[in-house]
Amino acid sequence: RKEVEQDPGPFNVPEGATVAFNCTYSNSASQSFFWYRQDCRKEPKLLMSVYSSGNEDGRFTAQLNRASQYISLLIRDSKLSDSATYLCVVISLFGWGKLQFGAGTQVVVTP
Amino acid sequence: DADVTQTPRNRITKTGKRIMLECSQTKGHDRMYWYRQDPGLGLRLIYYSFDVKDINKGEISDGYSVSRQAQAKFSLSLESAIPNQTALYFCATSGGEGRTDTQYFGPGTRLTVL
Repeated sequence: RKEVEQDPGPFNVPEGATVAFNCTYSNSASQSFFWYRQDCRKEPKLLMSVYSSGNEDGRFTAQLNRASQYISLLIRDSKLSDSATYLCVVISLFGWGKLQFGAGTQVVVTP
Repeated sequence: DADVTQTPRNRITKTGKRIMLECSQTKGHDRMYWYRQDPGLGLRLIYYSFDVKDINKGEISDGYSVSRQAQAKFSLSLESAIPNQTALYFCATSGGEGRTDTQYFGPGTRLTVL
């Protein structure tokens, strides 16, 4: 079983709509959580960290559910430029340097 | 100029050849990493280094070696390339003040082993 799992998608979203997707992790000792964005054939870039209480950054909202061991990302008012693959990243308490990446969820925003 | 650079950006080579991928950074970070990315598998950690004298194996180090020549340089070698090492390779750095676990990636090296 992979330590970090994501629905690969693609999630096809009309422009202006809301899309949400989850990432599940298996290591209960996981402490730090992030969402990265990766455009086609480009390097991943940090989108946002995920805090225990949940957090927003503009149209993006991240949530953490420790009991069920998943994090989520919600994108409101989707833009064409939001089309990308979103990578979930998890770091365990004892895994410094050993970031675990999910395989990514592809989002395609259509006009 | 980019903070994390990788050379070459693309490389095609043959089975059995020795290949070196290089990574340089101007961010002043102590920590550097090498990942490979394969379709459907996500990024997997090959090696990481917390400083010049500290080298650690990652999840998939077999068939690879690294050298941390300086704080700013971290190279990855494939001593005898094989076709299943065909992948997209990323170097990353982390460190500095504040959020030290944020990874900053280079643009990637697309390696094809025939």
